[in-house]
Amino acid sequence: QKEVEQDPGPLSVPEGAIVSLNCTYSNSAFQYFMWYRQYSRKGPELLMYTYSSGNKEDGRFTAQVDKSSKYISLFIRDSQPSDSATYLCAMSARQGGSEKLVFGKGTKLTVNP
Amino acid sequence: DTEVTQTPKHLVMGMTNKKSLKCEQHMGHRAMYWYKQKAKKPPELMFVYSYEKLSINESVPSRFSPECPNSSLLNLHLHALQPEDSALYLCASSQTSGGAQETQYFGPGTRLLVL
Repeated sequence: QKEVEQDPGPLSVPEGAIVSLNCTYSNSAFQYFMWYRQYSRKGPELLMYTYSSGNKEDGRFTAQVDKSSKYISLFIRDSQPSDSATYLCAMSARQGGSEKLVFGKGTKLTVNP
Repeated sequence: DTEVTQTPKHLVMGMTNKKSLKCEQHMGHRAMYWYKQKAKKPPELMFVYSYEKLSINESVPSRFSPECPNSSLLNLHLHALQPEDSALYLCASSQTSGGAQETQYFGPGTRLLVL
């Protein structure tokens, strides 16, 4: 089983829809959970960052972490065509004296005008 | 300033060439990273520098040679690459890499094509 699982999509929604992106993980040592947005042919850009379980909101974006289920989500409200990108979840833990950051495969999202 | 810059943006090289990728950040971060990203795949960690010392080398072939001249700069020297090394090479930085709570900030990447 991979440490981080993310459905690659593609996911296509109409403008204004609520988008739900999810990742599951198997390593209970993960404590820090991130969502990155990557436009085509660009580097990943940090969107949201959450420690442990709980919710975090930033504008139209809400990140949720459920450590008991090993499940994280990113919700995008009132989605816009400019939100069209690949969304990568990432998780980190400190193991064996070194930091470990693991990315999901990414979900490709298209928001249609 | 939360920017990580990378040069060049694009690079085409032959298998016998020697070239270098450069990365720079002025956020005072003491950890810097090189990643390789193939199309439709997540980034794969190659090297980590912490306080200008190489702390992690993820079994990368010796044709890739990292260098950290100072805390703001990170280079990746390339020699005798193979066509399968064609990818987007991403640089990232974080505060110290001394804790799992650090998030990494990425540069835009250098798109490399090996012919």
